[in-house]
Amino acid sequence: AQSVTQLDSQVPVFEEAPVELRCNYSSSVSVYLFWYVQYPNQGLQLLLKYLSGSTLVKGINGFEAEFNKSQTSFHLRKPSVHISDTAEYFCAVNQQGAQKLVFGQGTRLTINP
Amino acid sequence: DTAVSQTPKYLVTQMGNDKSIKCEQNLGHDTMYWYKQDSKKFLKIMFSYNNKELIINETVPNRFSPKSPDKAHLNLHINSLELGDSAVYFCASSPGGGFDTQYFGPGTRLTVL
Repeated sequence: AQSVTQLDSQVPVFEEAPVELRCNYSSSVSVYLFWYVQYPNQGLQLLLKYLSGSTLVKGINGFEAEFNKSQTSFHLRKPSVHISDTAEYFCAVNQQGAQKLVFGQGTRLTINP
Repeated sequence: DTAVSQTPKYLVTQMGNDKSIKCEQNLGHDTMYWYKQDSKKFLKIMFSYNNKELIINETVPNRFSPKSPDKAHLNLHINSLELGDSAVYFCASSPGGGFDTQYFGPGTRLTVL
C-alpha cells in the first residue's frame, strides 16, 4: 500500500522569499504524484503532477516540483512567494493501475508581509 | 459555470438524524468521488464511482450510502448521524482514474450536535 508523508505541518515564510514544501512517499510499484492546493474555505485544485518523463515538473502560479525516485520524494518549490499563496498544500500519490489518490497530511503555508 | 457543485454548503443537524449531500459535475467526467476531510485537514477517500458503478469503498460504515443516478451525479446519504461524522465532505470528478486530474467541489461542512 502506498503512503505519503509531508514533513512539515506548517511553513511560515516572508513575502518574496523562496519556499520548499517537502513530500516523501512509499510504494512498492510505480506511482503518479500530485500536488494540490486548498485556499481558505475552498475545494482543492491541482498545482502540478508527475506522470513520467522529465523529473522537473512545472505547475500553475510559478510552482514546480522535482521527482526523485531514489529518495522517493516529490518536493514542491517556488522561488518567490506572494501573500496570495497562503493556503494548505497537499501532496498525493496514485499507484499506477489503481484508482485511488492517497493524500499527505497537508502543509499550511503562511506568508508574512 | 461551476464544474463540480455540492449542496448544501453547510449542514448542521442533531445526532441520530439522516441527511443527504448532493453533488453534480458538468465536465462530462466518468468518475466521481467522495472524500472526508477531518478537523486536522486530513483528506481521505470514501467512495469512487465510474459510470454509475461503485469501484472503491474504503471501509466506510454502512450508515454512509452513496447513490449515483447518472454519471453526472453522486449523492451521499448518511443515516443515524454521529458526532464523529462532523467534517467537511468533498465531491470530486475526473475523466477516468489513475493519472487523471481530479476536480473538487467547494465542500459541505457537516456539523453534528
